[in-house]
Amino acid sequence: SQQGEEDPQALSIQEGENATMNCSYKTSINNLQWYRQNSGRGLVHLILIRSNEREKHSGRLRVTLDTSKKSSSLLITASRAADTASYFCATDAAGNNRKLIWGLGTSLAVNP
Amino acid sequence: DTAVSQTPKYLVTQMGNDKSIKCEQNLGHDTMYWYKQDSKKFLKIMFSYNNKELIINETVPNRFSPKSPDKAHLNLHINSLELGDSAVYFCASSQVRGGYTFGSGTRLTVV
Repeated sequence: SQQGEEDPQALSIQEGENATMNCSYKTSINNLQWYRQNSGRGLVHLILIRSNEREKHSGRLRVTLDTSKKSSSLLITASRAADTASYFCATDAAGNNRKLIWGLGTSLAVNP
Repeated sequence: DTAVSQTPKYLVTQMGNDKSIKCEQNLGHDTMYWYKQDSKKFLKIMFSYNNKELIINETVPNRFSPKSPDKAHLNLHINSLELGDSAVYFCASSQVRGGYTFGSGTRLTVV
């Protein structure tokens, strides 16, 4: 079953701009994870944020988590053409058997 | 130093054939997974093993059978391949409640 829903489905921006993607989910979670998938490649883990954390940074990436709204956002600052990829959120739902629940992804295009 | 490696990268085969995809991880992770990604990029969990024990077995046809000879390996065997099996299959591994490390995928095309 799908839990995460990313918004928007597709995003096109210019190099240097910031990109914000959102993820909503339905049940209580242990953690929420963001992944990147370049065309024709495997998924790459970006950031894991635990349910008791509100914000996390990694380089140009900033992830926030609002458990009261069951939502998360991924901000990529000063985007580059190399950031062009699909971005997925996945939730590790509380009480489940370690099965991540995946969204359908946001397709980001960064134009030079 | 590939962390999760799966072979082959591409697999083109005729309907009705049997094929296997192999996966190995050198991260010391306890859990390994098989995912199927369709043309719309939706990721669907198929199987998961923890220390050679099957812990997730989603609703997939019986033609799909995973095998984990040890915790570093998880292979996927598919019998009587059908056109609808065409997809990209990803292997992944993780520690408990941790991020996943994915392989680069096997693009299966059934003709």
